[in-house]
Amino acid sequence: EAGVTQFPSHSVIEKGQTVTLRCDPISGHDNLYWYRRVMGKEIKFLLHFVKESKQDESGMPNNRFLAERTGGTYSTLKVQPAELEDSGVYFCASSIQGRSGELFFGEGSRLTVL
Amino acid sequence: GNSVTQMEGPVTLSEEAFLTINCTYTATGYPSLFWYVQYPGEGLQLLLKATKADDKGSNKGFEATYRKETTSFHLEKGSVQVSDSAVYFCALLDSGGYQKVTFGIGTKLQVIP
Repeated sequence: EAGVTQFPSHSVIEKGQTVTLRCDPISGHDNLYWYRRVMGKEIKFLLHFVKESKQDESGMPNNRFLAERTGGTYSTLKVQPAELEDSGVYFCASSIQGRSGELFFGEGSRLTVL
Repeated sequence: GNSVTQMEGPVTLSEEAFLTINCTYTATGYPSLFWYVQYPGEGLQLLLKATKADDKGSNKGFEATYRKETTSFHLEKGSVQVSDSAVYFCALLDSGGYQKVTFGIGTKLQVIP
């Protein structure tokens, strides 16, 4: 069974540019989460999808971040325009309904904004 | 709000040494508690969990006991191996509200031969 996959693994962009991160969760996992880890700090929650609906987006930093989950399958996280403080590792995780704490993580997408 | 505090690393131990990584939490209600591990070059993976007070989670020789009276969930292993070198994250899932996991800062463990 394929795990959670994320693309790209590393992206280097300049301030003001746009980046789109993609996450493919484990098939059949209704819950999909985005987290971010800035160097040396804790992993912070960004948002949570249940199927195609946003359940909780309280962690999204501002309106430069837009997340979608097409048809309840894969998800994208777009940052537009990117700022220096957006640099970090963006993790995607999925879980099955009823077992929300048991997350399956992707390897992360490292974003560097210059 | 919910929060998890864990000791900052890095922690460096010799092979076969005893490991303790401290973790305390603040939460409303009765959270479930977890330890996740991230090996080099990989994503996080669930190591163990405990869902109620006095529960002990265990896996791969690691153990942690849910202590409600001290709001703690310390990770222990009696004899570490080089292959245990990784970053360890303590985490909680609140019992109410939206189902999101709150993580600690992570503790890097390096085990030397």
